[in-house]
Amino acid sequence: GESVGLHLPTLSVQEGDNSIINCAYSNSASDYFIWYKQESGKGPQFIIDIRSNMDKRQGQRVTVLLNKTVKHLSLQIAATQPGDSAVYFCAENNDYKLSFGAGTTVTVRA
Amino acid sequence: EAGVAQSPRYKIIEKRQSVAFWCNPISGHATLYWYQQILGQGPKLLIQFQNNGVVDDSQLPKDRFSAERLKGVDSTLKIQPAKLEDSAVYLCASSLWDANTEAFFGQGTRLTVV
Repeated sequence: GESVGLHLPTLSVQEGDNSIINCAYSNSASDYFIWYKQESGKGPQFIIDIRSNMDKRQGQRVTVLLNKTVKHLSLQIAATQPGDSAVYFCAENNDYKLSFGAGTTVTVRA
Repeated sequence: EAGVAQSPRYKIIEKRQSVAFWCNPISGHATLYWYQQILGQGPKLLIQFQNNGVVDDSQLPKDRFSAERLKGVDSTLKIQPAKLEDSAVYLCASSLWDANTEAFFGQGTRLTVV
């Protein structure tokens, strides 16, 4: 079946630099996407969402970009901090089911 | 606003035993999800309820897993009998309406089958 996936399983970034986490989705009918952050021992925590009628949405230090032409989603984190170290998942509303990809582990270097 | 509550937090059982997990979603949320998260993987949807009806249970191993959401509020997920490969974190989430609205997650129940 179709599923959401991430390009890279790990990302190491210097504190203060910007981070970019990528996600490729295969269901062109998906119309709602969410980025989640999961810290060790905790459940996923909502970061930001975007609907298919938009191509960019900004939050506090985070920006999500949606490219429907190539079915690609990205999360940009500005001025990455140690507290940003976690696993990041993109999720999509796939035929009314919330489906997750495999995740990217972000490690912030001091 | 209180979050999604799950219990127990941890559970260790022997294979072939049975186990049950409980979830209390955020008050007023119509949709409730159960996910299985194996170490190093993304959450896999087991079952999704809207109120007390099932939206999807296509990935629920129905020969051993069952779930119910009586009165459209809290929910239980049961495994009987458990297998070693059921070792995982079981996450419950809820959203106000459907999968087009933000889902909030509980802390999960870590199950170890030995």
